[in-house]
Amino acid sequence: EDQVTQSPEALRLQEGESSSLNCSYTVSGLRGLFWYRQDPGKGPEFLFTLYSAGEEKEKERLKATLTKKESFLHITAPKPEDSATYLCAVQATNSNSGYALNFGKGTSLLVTP
Amino acid sequence: SAVISQKPSRDICQRGTSLTIQCQVDSQVTMMFWYRQQPGQSLTLIATANQGSEATYESGFVIDKFPISRPNLTFSTLTVSNMSPEDSSIYLCSVHFYNEQFFGPGTRLTVL
Repeated sequence: EDQVTQSPEALRLQEGESSSLNCSYTVSGLRGLFWYRQDPGKGPEFLFTLYSAGEEKEKERLKATLTKKESFLHITAPKPEDSATYLCAVQATNSNSGYALNFGKGTSLLVTP
Repeated sequence: SAVISQKPSRDICQRGTSLTIQCQVDSQVTMMFWYRQQPGQSLTLIATANQGSEATYESGFVIDKFPISRPNLTFSTLTVSNMSPEDSSIYLCSVHFYNEQFFGPGTRLTVL
């Protein structure tokens, strides 16, 4: 069965203090690994899709990387506006649900001034 | 990207009643999904609603409780039937669009 585990559950950073969020996954065949940002009371906002080990993608202060077992979301010099819950999800090639996503529980990030 | 709107954005309902949630997309999409996010939890897939076929439901979700319509490539509805307080959640519509998946803003449902 596909599994997605995110760590840590919660992370508190000072503004400018870089860190990484982890997403470990188990899937028989990976179609894609997705990262989302979710603000309170809102739907998930798409950030990245990674398809194969070694792939990296960047957007502003965020950089996502992928290996065969895990993905990291690196946050460089975060700002308070980066505070949100970050969700990781996998899309499996052999899923009965087609292109649906299997989500981890998320990492709640708080960046303080 | 695909822009998704949902109606209503929130509602408070009485036990035993039903609520229909609408999802409108600004582009034609084949694959559409409905998720549930219970308080403090992550997203759980309810069903896949592809245009031209019957919706397929995940384990623990049944058509009598969550009937879905998908009349065209830009619209879908999810009905939450015979509601109980355990159905209090955020319900999210999602679409697969050019290898990316986008989510609507969600419908926050509270059942009293």
